[in-house]
Amino acid sequence: QVQLVQSGAEVKKPGASVKVSCKASGYTFTTYAITWVRQAPGQGLEYMGWINPYNGNTNYAQRLQGRVTMTTDTTTTTAYMEMGSLRSDDTAVYFCAATQRGTYYHWGQGTLLTVSS
Amino acid sequence: DIQMTQSPSSLSASVGDRVTITCRASQTISSYLNWYQQKPGKAPKLLIYAASSLQSGVPSRFSGSGSGTDFTLTISSLQPEDFATYYCQQNYSTPRTFGQGTKVESK
Repeated sequence: QVQLVQSGAEVKKPGASVKVSCKASGYTFTTYAITWVRQAPGQGLEYMGWINPYNGNTNYAQRLQGRVTMTTDTTTTTAYMEMGSLRSDDTAVYFCAATQRGTYYHWGQGTLLTVSS
Repeated sequence: DIQMTQSPSSLSASVGDRVTITCRASQTISSYLNWYQQKPGKAPKLLIYAASSLQSGVPSRFSGSGSGTDFTLTISSLQPEDFATYYCQQNYSTPRTFGQGTKVESK
C-alpha cells in the first residue's frame, strides 16, 4: 500500500532554515507528483507547491517563491521541502501528498514546525 | 488565484441526519473539484474527486455533485465517525486552492 512517512517535529529560530523529508513506498515513485501543503494551528490548508519526481519540474506558491525549494531523490524515493528565512507565522503542520492532476490521493502524517525565539 | 468559499463554516448535526455542505468557486472550474475529510491531529483523506466520483473505500453515504462554480457534498445519514472538518479543493489551475473548511459537530 502507498505510504508517505515524514520526518519528525522541528523547532527553529526566526531566520533559520528547515528541511522536511517525505519517504514514499508502495508505488513507483515517479508516477505521482509530491505536493506540499501546510496548516497553521486552527487554520485551513494552504498549498505550497509541487514537484514531479520524473523530471524535477516544480511549481511554487507565489507567496513562498524564493524561500522554498522542493527536491526529490529517486534512489531513496524521498521528497524534501526546504524553507529558509523562517518567521513565526511559518509555524504549522507541513504535509506531503502524492498527487495526480492536482488530486491529493495519499498523504503523509504531517510534520510540526515551530518557529520561536 | 481561484477562491473557494464553503458554507456553512460549521454545523451541528445528529447521527442519522442528512448533511449538505456547499462550495463555490470564484470562476468556473468545470468538474475539477475534490472533497477531503480531516479529523483532529490527522492528515486529510480524499473522499470525492472530479466533483462526483467516490474514492475507493469511501462509504456510499458520501456523494458529491455540481459543476462550473457550485458544488455540494452530501452525507446521506451521518455516522459517529463522520464528525470532522471537510474541505473542498479545486484542481483546475495552480495554485490548487482549498476552501476554508466546514466543521461538522455533534448536536
